[in-house]
Amino acid sequence: ETGVTQTPRHLVMGMTNKKSLKCEQHLGHNAMYWYKQSAKKPLELMFVYNFKEQTENNSVPSRFSPECPNSSHLFLHLHTLQPEDSALYLCASSPTSHEEQFFGPGTRLTVL
Amino acid sequence: GNSVTQMEGPVTLSEEAFLTINCTYTATGYPSLFWYVQYPGEGLQLLLKATKADDKGSNKGFEATYRKETTSFHLEKGSVQVSDSAVYFCALSEGNFNKFYFGSGTKLNVKP
Repeated sequence: ETGVTQTPRHLVMGMTNKKSLKCEQHLGHNAMYWYKQSAKKPLELMFVYNFKEQTENNSVPSRFSPECPNSSHLFLHLHTLQPEDSALYLCASSPTSHEEQFFGPGTRLTVL
Repeated sequence: GNSVTQMEGPVTLSEEAFLTINCTYTATGYPSLFWYVQYPGEGLQLLLKATKADDKGSNKGFEATYRKETTSFHLEKGSVQVSDSAVYFCALSEGNFNKFYFGSGTKLNVKP
């Protein structure tokens, strides 16, 4: 498989559930990102990892917990979410600074 | 700070019409500029980019010129097709660790 993959593609969860989103890139990149895309809002950067180290946390609530075990994998652990957290969560990767980011297809999350 | 402003959509055109989607930016240094496209149900894909002033990015009939004097990067296409219907995002990248700033997106609807 090539490019950036995300699983699951769709997720419905209750406010008390715990779930995880997975992202994998097969491009040999060193940086990975989580974005939140809500309707009629700009794309929101959530987290940035470079060489497995978190370099950006954009004031994201603690109910979102990222994990980057290696340069190819990125997780977003979710717990006690709110309905307003329902959105499309996009993962991206990039090789180095000022180079384009490559996006996965996203996980459509619905919180009931 | 850094930001990107795009024209609000949706933009509705007939097939073979000329397309312009405006994008202006604010940056503290010398950013790289990008246009991404998001087709329904998919993640963002890089459409074109420009890394310095007066550069022209082009791909699939789309083009945009990096204008430093007007801080703009407008997207143009001479003759749109129904298959161009998508959401278009303007973005800039500046600084360390490839931090991206995205506009809010402009939805394009092309009618046959």
